[in-house]
Amino acid sequence: AQSVTQLGSHVSVSEGALVLLRCNYSSSVPPYLFWYVQYPNQGLQLLLKYTTGATLVKGINGFEAEFKKSETSFHLTKPSAHMSDAAEYFCAVSMDTGRRALTFGSGTRLQVQP
Amino acid sequence: DAGITQSPRYKITETGRQVTLMCHQTWSHSYMFWYRQDLGHGLRLIYYSAAADITDKGEVPDGYVVSRSKTENFPLTLESATRSQTSVYFCASSEPGQGNTIYFGEGSWLTVV
Repeated sequence: AQSVTQLGSHVSVSEGALVLLRCNYSSSVPPYLFWYVQYPNQGLQLLLKYTTGATLVKGINGFEAEFKKSETSFHLTKPSAHMSDAAEYFCAVSMDTGRRALTFGSGTRLQVQP
Repeated sequence: DAGITQSPRYKITETGRQVTLMCHQTWSHSYMFWYRQDLGHGLRLIYYSAAADITDKGEVPDGYVVSRSKTENFPLTLESATRSQTSVYFCASSEPGQGNTIYFGEGSWLTVV
């Protein structure tokens, strides 16, 4: 069984500061890992994903994440926060077999202060 | 490029009524999913489908019914709505071989009173 833990349901940063959203997973086999962003009253948009290969993954809007197998982590970072980054962020894990569905963390709401 | 379309986007219904949420995708993806989103729980899988006429339960299937007679449609029915089914429902789809990326619709906000 897979599970995802996102540390911190709310994170607040100042505009221009580093953004760090934490995600740890548990999985019996190497998983696929994803970060999605959700803006108010909208669906989920894929930020980035890790499947195989390079462990540092770059996504849209300047975000990146690093897959660390030894730490079972996939933390999301952005060097400099922008007001438009304020949203809910979800980490998710899936397998490339079976039902292929995503298992989500409970989400982290990012606030960006001016 | 329409992608995934959900309807209705907003619905208020009464306890005990049957409600159907529609989902249509234009990509001919094999897999389709229904998730519900509740505060503090993230998104939880209700049902999924690997192909037309193949469906299976997810984490929280009780009180829901799905069907998939055509690849592009995956309706979700609440047979007798309860207040605990007040939620935001997301339909999604994916195609094996695309790194398992799952694409989401805009959501259906359902309130059961």
